[in-house]
Amino acid sequence: DTEVTQTPKHLVMGMTNKKSLKCEQHMGHRAMYWYKQKAKKPPELMFVYSYEKLSINESVPSRFSPECPNSSLLNLHLHALQPEDSALYLCASSQDYGSSYNEQFFGPGTRLTVL
Amino acid sequence: GQNIDQPTEMTATEGAIVQINCTYQTSGFNGLFWYQQHAGEAPTFLSYNVLDGLEEKGRFSSFLSRSKGYSYLLLKELQMKDSASYLCAVVDSNYQLIWGAGTKLIIKP
Repeated sequence: DTEVTQTPKHLVMGMTNKKSLKCEQHMGHRAMYWYKQKAKKPPELMFVYSYEKLSINESVPSRFSPECPNSSLLNLHLHALQPEDSALYLCASSQDYGSSYNEQFFGPGTRLTVL
Repeated sequence: GQNIDQPTEMTATEGAIVQINCTYQTSGFNGLFWYQQHAGEAPTFLSYNVLDGLEEKGRFSSFLSRSKGYSYLLLKELQMKDSASYLCAVVDSNYQLIWGAGTKLIIKP
C-alpha cells in the first residue's frame, strides 16, 4: 500500500465551526506532514511529526491544532478559522525525517472553504 | 535567505521536448526533488538528484549541477496529460524541503 488517504475531500465551514481533517498512511512511514497550498503557489509547510512527536511547527496560528494519535494517523483540528485560511490542505508522509533522500508521498488533499 | 527560481509558465507542443530550469540558493544542499502537480491534485514524485549528472527515467530526465546551483527537468515526447505544474524542491542543511513556486506547463496539440 503506497497511498496516503485524506478525508474529507471537500469541507465548507463557518468561522465559528470546529472541524477536523484526517490523514492515514500504512507504509510504515515515521514522518508525517501537514501543508497548506494556495492556488498557483507551492505547498507551505505547517507541521512535521516524527515518530509521533511534533518536530516542526512553522509558526502556525493556534486555530490550527495537529494531533498524531498513532504512527499511521494524523489529524488537523480547525477552530475559529478565517476566510483567508481557505486553501488545499495536503498531508504527506516519508520514511523518516532528517535525511537527504526523503521522498514525500502526498495525499489527495482536502479543499477547505471558510465562509 | 533561501531562494528557488523557476519560470512561471511554459508552453510546448505535443510530441516535442521541453526543458524546465530551476536555480537555487539555499543554506546547504542535501538533494533536489522534482514533483508534478495537476490542477487541484496532490504533488507526485518525479525524480531525485543529489550527485551531479543526469538521471533518466522513461520520458523524463533530471539534471543537476551543484557547483552552479542548477537543475533541469527534461520531458520528451510530450503528451497532453503532461500539462501540469512542475515543482522543484531542495533539501537544505536542516533537511527541510524548500519549494520553488512551480512552473505551469501548457501542452498544445
